[in-house]
Amino acid sequence: AQSVSQHNHHVILSEAASLELGCNYSYGGTVNLFWYVQYPGQHLQLLLKYFSGDPLVKGIKGFEAEFIKSKFSFNLRKPSVQWSDTAEYFCAVNAKPGGSYIPTFGRGTSLIVHP
Amino acid sequence: SQTIHQWPATLVQPVGSPLSLECTVEGTSNPNLYWYRQAAGRGLQLLFYSVGIGQISSEVPQNLSASRPQDRQFILSSKKLLLSDSGFYLCAWSVWLAGTYEQYFGPGTRLTVT
Repeated sequence: AQSVSQHNHHVILSEAASLELGCNYSYGGTVNLFWYVQYPGQHLQLLLKYFSGDPLVKGIKGFEAEFIKSKFSFNLRKPSVQWSDTAEYFCAVNAKPGGSYIPTFGRGTSLIVHP
Repeated sequence: SQTIHQWPATLVQPVGSPLSLECTVEGTSNPNLYWYRQAAGRGLQLLFYSVGIGQISSEVPQNLSASRPQDRQFILSSKKLLLSDSGFYLCAWSVWLAGTYEQYFGPGTRLTVT
């Protein structure tokens, strides 16, 4: 079975600081990887995704993530955060056990950015 | 474009009362549909998913049930609510896109059982 681990449950940063949120998954086969973001009072929305090809993927609002297969990791990064990045971030893995794709989500990381 | 609707947005129900939460999707056909419960610090827990009308798979045995009476309608129900059913319920849909299923989420329903 697949599982996802997000190491940082709460992160507090000042504006302009760099961000890296950890995400590790456990699954031996082919996976698709996602980061979702939930801004206060808003829908959960897709931030970026990895299917195949270049392991460094870029998403909206200056976010990027790098898939490192050997480490089973898909960490989210942003070089300079803004107050508006305050949100909850979820990593998700979408594998293919038994012929169907059922995503598994991490517990989420709450990011607070102070102005 | 596709949109997903959930209602109600908030709900306060007494213990032992029934529950019905509805989710509908527009602008797509034959989507996979999902019900999640989101608890603070615990991420998203998949409750049910459906790949077609009348086809429901349960991920977590509990006090809740789901039904899919129409292609783009997904209903979460309970005959008797428990205090532990309180939470934030999210509906999502997905279709096959470029090699995988990509999910889109609704606005959620905040359920408080008193």
